[in-house]
Amino acid sequence: AQKVTQAQTEISVVEKEDVTLDCVYETRDTTYYLFWYKQPPSGELVFLIRRNSFDEQNEISGRYSWDFQKSTSSFNFTITASQVVDSAVYFCALSGVNTGFQKLVFGTGTRLLVSP
Amino acid sequence: DADVTQTPRNRITKTGKRIMLECSQTKGHDRMYWYRQDPGLGLRLIYYSFDVKDINKGEISDGYSVSRQAQAKFSLSLESAIPNQTALYFCATSDLTGKRGTDTQYFGPGTRLTVL
Repeated sequence: AQKVTQAQTEISVVEKEDVTLDCVYETRDTTYYLFWYKQPPSGELVFLIRRNSFDEQNEISGRYSWDFQKSTSSFNFTITASQVVDSAVYFCALSGVNTGFQKLVFGTGTRLLVSP
Repeated sequence: DADVTQTPRNRITKTGKRIMLECSQTKGHDRMYWYRQDPGLGLRLIYYSFDVKDINKGEISDGYSVSRQAQAKFSLSLESAIPNQTALYFCATSDLTGKRGTDTQYFGPGTRLTVL
C-alpha cells in the first residue's frame, strides 16, 4: 500500500525565517513519483514540483528547494527566507507504477503560517 | 481564463437533494478526476476517467456518480446528498507525459459543498 505522512500539522514562523516541511512516504513500487502542491487561503491547489524515483538530484527554484532521500523515504520541502505570501497548506503526494500513476495519494497537509 | 473551471464554486443544499458539480477544462488533457477534501484527511479520489468511454472508481466512490460528457467535461453527481458529503470538491486533469508515463495533475479552484 502507498502512504504519505506529513507529521507536521501546523508550523508558524516569522517572516524571513527558513522553514522545512517534512514528507515521508511508503511504497513498494520501484518506480514512483512524488509531488508537492500548495493550497493558499483562496483554496485552489497549485502544483509546485514533481520528482521521479530515478532522480535523486535535489532541486532549487528560487526560494524553494526540495530534498529527495530514497534511503529515508523522504521528500522534504524547504522555503528560504519565508514571506507572508507563503502562508498556505502544503500537500505532499505520491503515485506509483503498480497502483497506477494516475492515482495520487496525498498526505494530510501541513499548514504554514508566516507572520510579519 | 483558467484552464480548469468548476461550477458552482459554492453550494448549499439539503439532505436528500440531487446535486451536480461540473468541471470543464481547456488544457486538452484526456484524463480527468474528482477528489474531495476533508479537514485533516487530505484529498481522496472519488472517480477518474481516462477518456470519454473509460470511467473508474476511486477510493471513495460510494454515494457518487460521474458523467464524462466530452473530453473537456466531467461531472460529479450526488444522487441523494447527505451531511457527511459536506466537503471541498476538486476536479483535476492530467495528460500522459514522459517516457515513464506519469501524470501531473492540475486542479480546478474547488467547489465548497454544504449539505444541511
